[in-house]
Amino acid sequence: DAKTTQPTSMDCAEGRAANLPCNHSTISGNEYVYWYRQIHSQGPQYIIHGLKNNETNEMASLIITEDRKSSTLILPHATLRDTAVYYCIVRRLDAGNNRKLIWGLGTSLAVNP
Amino acid sequence: KAGVTQTPRYLIKTRGQQVTLSCSPISGHRSVSWYQQTPGQGLQFLFEYFSETQRNKGNFPGRFSGRQFSNSRSEMNVSTLELGDSALYLCASSLGGQASDTQYFGPGTRLTVL
Repeated sequence: DAKTTQPTSMDCAEGRAANLPCNHSTISGNEYVYWYRQIHSQGPQYIIHGLKNNETNEMASLIITEDRKSSTLILPHATLRDTAVYYCIVRRLDAGNNRKLIWGLGTSLAVNP
Repeated sequence: KAGVTQTPRYLIKTRGQQVTLSCSPISGHRSVSWYQQTPGQGLQFLFEYFSETQRNKGNFPGRFSGRQFSNSRSEMNVSTLELGDSALYLCASSLGGQASDTQYFGPGTRLTVL
């Protein structure tokens, strides 16, 4: 299974871009990179996912390196409400269309006023 | 569209008791997965149900079981509770048909075992 490595914590000033890195050097060709965040022990919230191309939605942008061994989640204008734990996950596809997400401990992002 | 709902939100039990947690997926979603989250451990996959059949299982003892009904609602049961079962139990639903479909999580049930 491809595992991910993320910094334990990061800080960001309100209004600035938050760039959260993730290393997934053992990712295989059919595995997607997913990002979720969890605010104060609520359920994780889906942010964005991608396979090989960069992706953007109303919440964030996902930049995946050409070799797919790392990615960066970008929150373009961080607000205090973006303070959360951010999880980078690689989706493993099991036989028979079964699948499990392998979760690490994520990055605790603190957005400061 | 309503999100994933879980009941109850909080539960206190004592060792040796059993507990049943409920999850209602997003309308139209046929896959329901359950996770356990404890401090320092992250999310641990319990099992996944699709069309009333368990199609994937994590590494938890047999005390943890689940089922899915024809309306895709799911329940998980933990028997003979232990102190270490205290955790946030999360349910996630997805359409279930494609390998890349996205899971959406409920708010969780906080279980405390005394």
